[in-house]
Formats: sequence, structure tokens, C-alpha cells
Amino acid sequence: AQSVTQLGSHVSVSEGALVLLRCNYSSSVPPYLFWYVQYPNQGLQLLLKYTTGATLVKGINGFEAEFKKSETSFHLTKPSAHMSDAAEYFCAVSEKEAAGNKLTFGGGTRVLVKP
Amino acid sequence: ETGVTQTPRHLVMGMTNKKSLKCEQHLGHNAMYWYKQSAKKPLELMFVYSLEERVENNSVPSRFSPECPNSSHLFLHLHTLQPEDSALYLCASSLYSWTGVPVDGYTFGSGTRLTVV
Repeated sequence: AQSVTQLGSHVSVSEGALVLLRCNYSSSVPPYLFWYVQYPNQGLQLLLKYTTGATLVKGINGFEAEFKKSETSFHLTKPSAHMSDAAEYFCAVSEKEAAGNKLTFGGGTRVLVKP
Repeated sequence: ETGVTQTPRHLVMGMTNKKSLKCEQHLGHNAMYWYKQSAKKPLELMFVYSLEERVENNSVPSRFSPECPNSSHLFLHLHTLQPEDSALYLCASSLYSWTGVPVDGYTFGSGTRLTVV
């Protein structure tokens, strides 16, 4: 069975500083990996995804993530935080399953950006 | 708008009421999902419909009853709810592939904020 662990339920960064959100997964087969962002009182919006090919993937709003198979990780980074990055971020993993096309989500990391 | 529309955005209901949440997508997706998001809890998958057939029910109480009349519409019928059912209810859709993987992930609606009083 697949699972996703996001280290740190809350992260505080200063505006202009590096944003690093950690995600580790367990999967018995090569996974598909996703990062979603959720702004207050809204649904989840896809930031980026890894399926196959290049292990460094770029997403919207200047975010990128790197798939490291040896570390079973898919950490999300942004070089310079902006106030608009304050939101909750969810990592998710998908395996080939017979039915349901399930994504398994991590517990989420809430990002606070300080001026 | 993401392509998945949920109505209403906000709902306050008494414990004896009956109400329904609606979700609609016109993305050509053929799998739809209901999630519950409570404060300080992980996202909880409630129901999965694939090709209009319910394929998963994660032990959800019977006071929640889903309905998927076609691949574009999904409902969640609510009756005799409890205060602990207050949460953000999210609908999502995906393109079901025969490999079993939602290659493009899910597209979520903006949710219905439900308050049970």
C-alpha cells in the first residue's frame, strides 16, 4: 500500500527566502507524484506532477520538485517566497491500481510567509 | 474556475434537515470523487465513482448517500447529520485510464463549506 509523509505541518518563511517542503512516499511500484496547493476556502489546485522522464519538474508560480527514487522523496522548492505563496500544500502519490485511480495524499503543510 | 463546479459554496443545516451537495464537470472525465476535509485532519476519501459505478466506499456513515447519474454529475445527499460532520466537502474528477493511473491527477472543485447546527 502506498503512503505519503509530509514533514512539518507548518512552515514559516520570510518573504524572499527559500521555500522547501518535504515529501516522502512509500510505494511498491514506480509512482506518479503530485503537489497540490490550497488557498483558504478553495479546492486543491495542481502545482506540478512527475510521471516519467526528467526527475526535476517545474510547475506553476515558480515552484519545482525533484523525484529522487533512492530517497523515495519528492520535495517541493521555490527559490524566493512571495506573500501570495501563503497556503496549504499537499503531496500525493498514485500507483497502478485495478480500480478507482486513487491518489493518496499527505497530511499537508501550511506555509506562512512573513514580510 | 477549474472546470469542476460545486454548489452551494456554503451550507448551514440543522441535524434533522435533508440537503444535497452538487458537483458538475465538463472536462470529459469519467471518474469522480467526494472528499471530506476537516480542520487539523488529513483529506478523507469518502466515495469513488468510476465510469458511473461506485467502486469504493471508505466506510462512510449511511447518513451520507452519493449519487452519480452520469459521468458529468455527482451528488452527495445528506440527512440527519451530526455537528462533527461540519467540514469542507470537496469534489474531484479525473480521467480514468485502463492502466489504473490518473496520469493528470485530479481536478478539484472549490468545495462546499458545511456547518451542522
